[in-house]
Amino acid sequence: TQLLEQSPQFLSIQEGENLTVYCNSSSVFSSLQWYRQEPGEGPVLLVTVVTGGEVKKLKRLTFQFGDARKDSSLHITAAQPGDTGLYLCAGAGEGDSGYALNFGKGTSLLVTP
Amino acid sequence: NAGVTQTPKFRILKIGQSMTLQCTQDMNHNYMYWYRQDPGMGLKLIYYSVGAGITDKGEVPNGYNVSRSTTEDFPLRLELAAPSQTSVYFCASSYYRGRGEAFFGQGTRLTVV
Repeated sequence: TQLLEQSPQFLSIQEGENLTVYCNSSSVFSSLQWYRQEPGEGPVLLVTVVTGGEVKKLKRLTFQFGDARKDSSLHITAAQPGDTGLYLCAGAGEGDSGYALNFGKGTSLLVTP
Repeated sequence: NAGVTQTPKFRILKIGQSMTLQCTQDMNHNYMYWYRQDPGMGLKLIYYSVGAGITDKGEVPNGYNVSRSTTEDFPLRLELAAPSQTSVYFCASSYYRGRGEAFFGQGTRLTVV
């Protein structure tokens, strides 16, 4: 199993602040995905990054894939209460290890008004 | 468009009982997965399937069994339930292996007492 370490595990901030969540591994991934999960629901895909160094933006969310394809970050600008949730990174391995996604433990984000 | 449907949503089992968690998808995806999610532990892969008639073990398969007789259905069987199997179970499917977007069901919250 290719391990993904997410940090921080918990984050509580006020509306309007910026934050960055990190996802690190010693393994190389063919792609890395970020999911958001709300209580009582399954995770929902936010973005997939495939190329080393790739940066993708989704409104106030910016995702980056490390040059070596071993790590990724999620940056949220001017966080809103609606951003509250559990953020999970997931990596797909290369070759035969790429049949299923390996998930990090998640970052639980709380944004208060 | 139903996507991935899991039943039941909640269940309480006594130690030693057995049950089947149902999962069906209507997106004609070949790849299907079962994950369990424990607090602060992210999602761990139990079993996966790359198509009808083909299944393989994930990271935590002990105490579980699966079958895949059709493309649509991927039931998870718990034999001789134990308290360690108390968890939230998610079924997911994807069109592409690994790096493709995984679509998740709403989850089954299982308590073994």
